[in-house]
Amino acid sequence: EVQLVESGGGLVQPGRSLKLSCLASGFTFSNYGMNWIRQAPGKGLEWVASISSSSSYIYYADTVKGRFTISRDNAKNTLYLQMTSLRSEDTALYYCATTNYWGQGVMVTVSS
Amino acid sequence: DIVMTQGALPNPVPSGESASITCQSSKSLLHSNGKTYLNWYLQRPGQSPQLLIYWMSTRASGVSDRFSGSGSGTDFTLKISSVEAEDVGVYYCQQFLEYPRTFGAGTKLELK
Repeated sequence: EVQLVESGGGLVQPGRSLKLSCLASGFTFSNYGMNWIRQAPGKGLEWVASISSSSSYIYYADTVKGRFTISRDNAKNTLYLQMTSLRSEDTALYYCATTNYWGQGVMVTVSS
Repeated sequence: DIVMTQGALPNPVPSGESASITCQSSKSLLHSNGKTYLNWYLQRPGQSPQLLIYWMSTRASGVSDRFSGSGSGTDFTLKISSVEAEDVGVYYCQQFLEYPRTFGAGTKLELK
Protein backbone atom coordinates (compact mmCIF):
# COMPACT_ATOMS: atom_id res chain seq x y z
CA GLU A 1 0.00 0.00 0.00
CA VAL A 2 1.33 3.41 -0.98
CA GLN A 3 1.78 5.76 1.94
CA LEU A 4 3.02 9.33 2.13
CA VAL A 5 3.32 10.59 5.68
CA GLU A 6 4.12 14.24 6.28
CA SER A 7 5.57 15.61 9.50
CA GLY A 8 7.25 18.70 10.90
CA GLY A 9 4.38 21.16 10.82
CA GLY A 10 3.24 23.41 13.62
CA LEU A 11 2.85 26.97 14.82
CA VAL A 12 5.72 29.30 13.94
CA GLN A 13 6.25 33.04 14.18
CA PRO A 14 6.57 35.18 11.07
CA GLY A 15 10.12 35.30 9.78
CA ARG A 16 11.06 31.97 11.32
CA SER A 17 11.87 28.67 9.63
CA LEU A 18 10.37 25.20 9.54
CA LYS A 19 11.31 21.96 7.79
CA LEU A 20 8.70 19.51 6.57
CA SER A 21 9.39 15.85 5.87
CA CYS A 22 7.46 13.26 3.91
CA LEU A 23 8.22 9.57 4.39
CA ALA A 24 7.20 7.44 1.42
CA SER A 25 6.51 3.72 1.36
CA GLY A 26 4.81 1.14 -0.84
CA PHE A 27 6.42 2.24 -4.10
CA THR A 28 9.89 2.82 -5.53
CA PHE A 29 10.38 6.37 -4.30
CA SER A 30 13.57 6.94 -6.29
CA ASN A 31 11.69 6.47 -9.57
CA TYR A 32 9.19 9.27 -9.05
CA GLY A 33 9.15 13.02 -9.21
CA MET A 34 7.62 14.51 -6.09
CA ASN A 35 5.65 17.61 -5.25
CA TRP A 36 4.60 19.83 -2.39
CA ILE A 37 1.13 21.31 -2.75
CA ARG A 38 -0.59 23.46 -0.15
CA GLN A 39 -4.12 24.45 0.73
CA ALA A 40 -4.87 27.50 2.84
CA PRO A 41 -7.83 27.10 5.20
CA GLY A 42 -11.04 27.06 3.19
CA LYS A 43 -9.21 27.69 -0.07
CA GLY A 44 -8.16 25.75 -3.16
CA LEU A 45 -5.00 23.90 -4.08
CA GLU A 46 -1.73 25.72 -4.75
CA TRP A 47 1.29 23.98 -6.21
CA VAL A 48 4.43 24.89 -4.24
CA ALA A 49 7.42 22.96 -5.58
CA SER A 50 8.49 19.90 -7.56
CA ILE A 51 11.64 17.81 -7.70
CA SER A 52 12.58 15.15 -10.23
CA SER A 53 13.46 11.61 -9.26
CA SER A 54 17.21 12.24 -9.15
CA SER A 55 16.94 15.85 -7.95
CA SER A 56 18.23 17.10 -11.30
CA TYR A 57 15.23 19.32 -11.91
CA ILE A 58 13.64 21.55 -9.29
CA TYR A 59 10.85 24.08 -9.71
CA TYR A 60 9.17 26.55 -7.37
CA ALA A 61 6.11 28.71 -7.34
CA ASP A 62 6.96 32.40 -7.48
CA THR A 63 5.29 32.87 -4.10
CA VAL A 64 7.94 30.74 -2.37
CA LYS A 65 10.98 31.07 -4.63
CA GLY A 66 14.02 32.14 -2.66
CA ARG A 67 12.43 31.20 0.65
CA PHE A 68 11.59 27.49 0.31
CA THR A 69 13.89 24.63 -0.70
CA ILE A 70 12.67 21.23 -1.83
CA SER A 71 15.00 18.26 -1.53
CA ARG A 72 14.93 14.50 -1.24
CA ASP A 73 16.94 11.61 0.12
CA ASN A 74 16.23 8.53 -1.99
CA ALA A 75 18.15 6.30 0.43
CA LYS A 76 15.71 7.31 3.15
CA ASN A 77 12.61 7.48 0.92
CA THR A 78 12.05 10.97 2.22
CA LEU A 79 11.03 14.27 0.67
CA TYR A 80 11.74 17.58 2.40
CA LEU A 81 10.59 21.18 2.29
CA GLN A 82 12.78 23.69 4.08
CA MET A 83 10.77 26.85 4.64
CA THR A 84 12.42 30.10 5.70
CA SER A 85 11.24 33.69 6.16
CA LEU A 86 7.74 32.40 6.77
CA ARG A 87 4.79 34.72 6.29
CA SER A 88 1.20 34.62 7.46
CA GLU A 89 0.15 33.82 3.89
CA ASP A 90 2.15 30.57 4.09
CA THR A 91 -0.39 29.25 6.60
CA ALA A 92 -1.80 26.12 4.98
CA LEU A 93 -2.10 22.37 4.97
CA TYR A 94 0.96 21.11 3.09
CA TYR A 95 0.60 17.95 1.04
CA CYS A 96 3.37 15.72 -0.23
CA ALA A 97 2.24 14.14 -3.48
CA THR A 98 3.00 12.26 -6.63
CA THR A 99 0.48 12.61 -9.44
CA ASN A 100 -1.43 9.56 -8.20
CA TYR A 101 -0.91 9.67 -4.45
CA TRP A 102 -1.24 12.33 -1.81
CA GLY A 103 -0.41 12.29 1.86
CA GLN A 104 -2.85 13.43 4.52
CA GLY A 105 -1.10 16.75 4.83
CA VAL A 106 0.63 18.61 7.63
CA MET A 107 -0.57 21.93 8.97
CA VAL A 108 1.70 24.95 9.08
CA THR A 109 0.44 28.02 10.93
CA VAL A 110 2.43 31.23 10.75
CA SER A 111 1.32 33.62 13.43
CA SER A 112 2.73 35.77 16.20
CA ASP B 1 1.44 31.14 -16.15
CA ILE B 2 -1.39 29.01 -17.50
CA VAL B 3 -4.68 30.08 -15.94
CA MET B 4 -7.25 27.36 -15.29
CA THR B 5 -10.88 28.50 -15.08
CA GLN B 6 -13.57 26.18 -13.78
CA GLY B 7 -17.30 26.48 -14.15
CA ALA B 8 -19.88 26.12 -11.41
CA LEU B 9 -22.46 23.40 -10.97
CA PRO B 10 -26.19 24.09 -10.58
CA ASN B 11 -26.18 22.70 -7.05
CA PRO B 12 -27.60 20.66 -5.54
CA VAL B 13 -27.51 17.85 -8.07
CA PRO B 14 -30.27 15.23 -7.72
CA SER B 15 -28.99 11.78 -6.91
CA GLY B 16 -28.89 9.63 -10.03
CA GLU B 17 -28.64 12.58 -12.39
CA SER B 18 -25.56 13.34 -14.44
CA ALA B 19 -23.29 16.33 -13.82
CA SER B 20 -20.71 18.02 -16.04
CA ILE B 21 -17.89 20.19 -14.76
CA THR B 22 -16.08 22.47 -17.17
CA CYS B 23 -12.52 23.70 -17.12
CA GLN B 24 -10.80 26.06 -19.51
CA SER B 25 -7.08 26.72 -19.88
CA SER B 26 -5.51 29.97 -21.08
CA LYS B 27 -3.12 27.99 -23.27
CA SER B 28 -3.54 24.77 -25.20
CA LEU B 29 -2.57 21.73 -23.14
CA LEU B 30 -2.23 19.57 -26.24
CA HIS B 31 1.39 18.56 -26.65
CA SER B 32 3.04 17.70 -29.94
CA ASN B 33 3.13 14.09 -28.71
CA GLY B 34 -0.65 14.01 -29.03
CA LYS B 35 -1.30 13.94 -25.29
CA THR B 36 -3.27 16.56 -23.39
CA TYR B 37 -1.68 17.45 -20.09
CA LEU B 38 -4.72 17.77 -17.87
CA ASN B 39 -5.64 16.04 -14.60
CA TRP B 40 -8.91 15.97 -12.68
CA TYR B 41 -8.96 15.53 -8.90
CA LEU B 42 -11.74 15.07 -6.37
CA GLN B 43 -11.33 16.27 -2.81
CA ARG B 44 -14.00 14.78 -0.60
CA PRO B 45 -14.82 16.64 2.63
CA GLY B 46 -12.00 16.27 5.13
CA GLN B 47 -9.86 14.20 2.76
CA SER B 48 -6.83 14.62 0.53
CA PRO B 49 -7.38 15.07 -3.18
CA GLN B 50 -7.76 11.91 -5.22
CA LEU B 51 -6.71 11.58 -8.86
CA LEU B 52 -9.68 10.77 -11.08
CA ILE B 53 -8.52 11.42 -14.64
CA TYR B 54 -5.13 12.04 -16.27
CA TRP B 55 -4.12 12.84 -19.84
CA MET B 56 -7.56 14.52 -20.04
CA SER B 57 -9.50 11.30 -20.53
CA THR B 58 -7.73 8.34 -18.88
CA ARG B 59 -9.34 7.10 -15.68
CA ALA B 60 -7.00 6.48 -12.79
CA SER B 61 -6.80 3.04 -11.27
CA GLY B 62 -9.85 2.13 -9.24
CA VAL B 63 -11.93 5.09 -10.40
CA SER B 64 -15.54 4.35 -11.27
CA ASP B 65 -16.46 4.30 -14.95
CA ARG B 66 -19.19 6.82 -14.08
CA PHE B 67 -16.38 9.39 -14.42
CA SER B 68 -15.25 10.41 -17.88
CA GLY B 69 -13.05 13.20 -19.18
CA SER B 70 -13.14 14.85 -22.56
CA GLY B 71 -12.18 18.06 -24.32
CA SER B 72 -10.04 19.88 -26.78
CA GLY B 73 -6.73 21.67 -26.21
CA THR B 74 -8.24 24.41 -24.05
CA ASP B 75 -11.76 23.34 -23.09
CA PHE B 76 -12.38 20.33 -20.92
CA THR B 77 -15.28 18.52 -19.31
CA LEU B 78 -15.50 16.04 -16.49
CA LYS B 79 -18.76 14.14 -16.68
CA ILE B 80 -20.20 12.20 -13.80
CA SER B 81 -23.02 9.93 -14.80
CA SER B 82 -25.60 8.99 -12.16
CA VAL B 83 -24.24 11.07 -9.28
CA GLU B 84 -23.94 9.26 -5.95
CA ALA B 85 -23.38 10.38 -2.37
CA GLU B 86 -19.68 9.45 -2.54
CA ASP B 87 -19.19 11.97 -5.39
CA VAL B 88 -19.79 14.93 -3.10
CA GLY B 89 -16.81 17.23 -2.75
CA VAL B 90 -14.74 19.72 -4.68
CA TYR B 91 -13.39 18.91 -8.13
CA TYR B 92 -10.17 20.47 -9.42
CA CYS B 93 -8.63 20.50 -12.85
CA GLN B 94 -4.86 20.88 -13.08
CA GLN B 95 -2.49 21.40 -15.96
CA PHE B 96 0.86 19.66 -15.96
CA LEU B 97 2.15 20.88 -19.30
CA GLU B 98 4.31 23.60 -17.81
CA TYR B 99 5.69 24.94 -14.58
CA PRO B 100 4.26 26.44 -12.52
CA ARG B 101 1.67 23.74 -12.27
CA THR B 102 -1.70 25.41 -11.89
CA PHE B 103 -5.08 24.32 -10.58
CA GLY B 104 -8.53 25.60 -11.22
CA ALA B 105 -10.32 27.21 -8.28
CA GLY B 106 -12.45 24.12 -7.76
CA THR B 107 -16.06 23.19 -8.43
CA LYS B 108 -18.22 22.05 -5.56
CA LEU B 109 -20.71 19.26 -6.05
CA GLU B 110 -23.57 18.98 -3.59
CA LEU B 111 -26.16 16.22 -3.62
CA LYS B 112 -29.88 16.70 -3.43
